[in-house]
Amino acid sequence: DSGVTQTPKHLITATGQRVTLRCSPRSGDLSVYWYQQSLDQGLQFLIQYYNGEERAKGNILERFSAQQFPDLHSELNLSSLELGDSALYFCASSLGDEQFFGPGTRLTVL
Amino acid sequence: QQQVKQSPQSLIVQKGGISIINCAYENTAFDYFPWYQQFPGKGPALLIAIRPDVSEKKEGRFTISFNKSAKQFSLHIMDSQPGDSATYFCAASGQGDKLIFGTGTRLQVFP
Repeated sequence: DSGVTQTPKHLITATGQRVTLRCSPRSGDLSVYWYQQSLDQGLQFLIQYYNGEERAKGNILERFSAQQFPDLHSELNLSSLELGDSALYFCASSLGDEQFFGPGTRLTVL
Repeated sequence: QQQVKQSPQSLIVQKGGISIINCAYENTAFDYFPWYQQFPGKGPALLIAIRPDVSEKKEGRFTISFNKSAKQFSLHIMDSQPGDSATYFCAASGQGDKLIFGTGTRLQVFP
């Protein structure tokens, strides 16, 4: 158990819908990272927050957004969902270089 | 320049054998090189990591070899066990930045 929690574990929704994925980092970790894992793209970095502020952005679509709250938990919002958004979404947290991953949310868009 | 190239894509090893997975990078600003192990349906788990100031790091049956001049690093799993069957990802980052992952190696260890 990495100490990083993610909810929900599974999410099934329809195209065009909006969903919110939640992540609670390990106690004491200030950074939260979001990654997308799909069969054809592998593990891809989406966005990083550090102590509530956006720190780095990867190839995150404009339909996706995230935030980190004062209690350091983070949410990833995915809107206008398309079939191609079906993937595993992981968050990771860190205090230094070591990133610890949560169990992921499996998103299926039908 | 941000890519990390990983090989092989898949690996089949006999129990007790040595599993070797290789990665190469281009960006000389990378200063942290972790390996992750992922079982189906689970999140990647940090296995072992190295920084470029050392050429080798060993933790139990897992060893990272690092060649700074060649910009290559590899994971060696000694005495491979069926329980090691998983997908392994190398990664790289610079100064606490995002991780750039390799494409993964599916390891199967047969008894």
